[in-house]
Amino acid sequence: QLVLTQSPSASASLGVSVKLTCTLSSGHSDYAIAWHQQQPEKGPRYLMSLNSDGSYFKGDGIPDRFSGSSSGGERYLTISSLQSEDEADYYCQTWGAGIRVFGGGTKLTVL
Amino acid sequence: EVQVVESGGGLVQPGGSLRLSCAASGFDFRSYWMSWVRQAPGKGLEWVAYINEDGSEKYFVDSVKGRFAISRDNVKNLLYLQMNTLRAEDTAVYYCAREHSSGWRHVDYWGRGTLVTVSS
Repeated sequence: QLVLTQSPSASASLGVSVKLTCTLSSGHSDYAIAWHQQQPEKGPRYLMSLNSDGSYFKGDGIPDRFSGSSSGGERYLTISSLQSEDEADYYCQTWGAGIRVFGGGTKLTVL
Repeated sequence: EVQVVESGGGLVQPGGSLRLSCAASGFDFRSYWMSWVRQAPGKGLEWVAYINEDGSEKYFVDSVKGRFAISRDNVKNLLYLQMNTLRAEDTAVYYCAREHSSGWRHVDYWGRGTLVTVSS
């Protein structure tokens, strides 16, 4: 079964970097994913697509502070130079034939 | 500019029906797969259904199979979600979403959502 697992919460201070993790279920470690951001009281926004080899491409207007990487069945979203507006929920998403899957989301708090 | 705008949400009684619409603009609608994604109050994102570019392929999350239908009008650039036999657990903001192309079937553009409330 295709499942994405995310930690429910994370926190980091203004100006530093944070790395969020999305873990693919066993047997699906070669799947690509996408990352989405949802700021409070707003709709989601697509951030980037991330391949199993760590290559990624970003959506329109996404700042350079956002980057992606991969290791085995884990996919990462790194946000550098944290800003207050980065406080949001972050979701990973993957797909297969006949299915689309979202992770449970990570709530990022900027201290 | 790519835009997808949902409409049709509202309050409906359990067992009732509702049809959501999504108006697409700024891209070649007939060339893209489209999805509906929902978010219950205080919860995460849940994929509901997707449809391929010509409507010949449609898939649904198990919880809505047999109750929801997805369709599209490639002349009017509209996506629909027909929701029947609604339940309280269908209460959510429903987002229309464009899927990326070239085999990367993730969302790359989101609408702002329309709220569906199922309650007596």
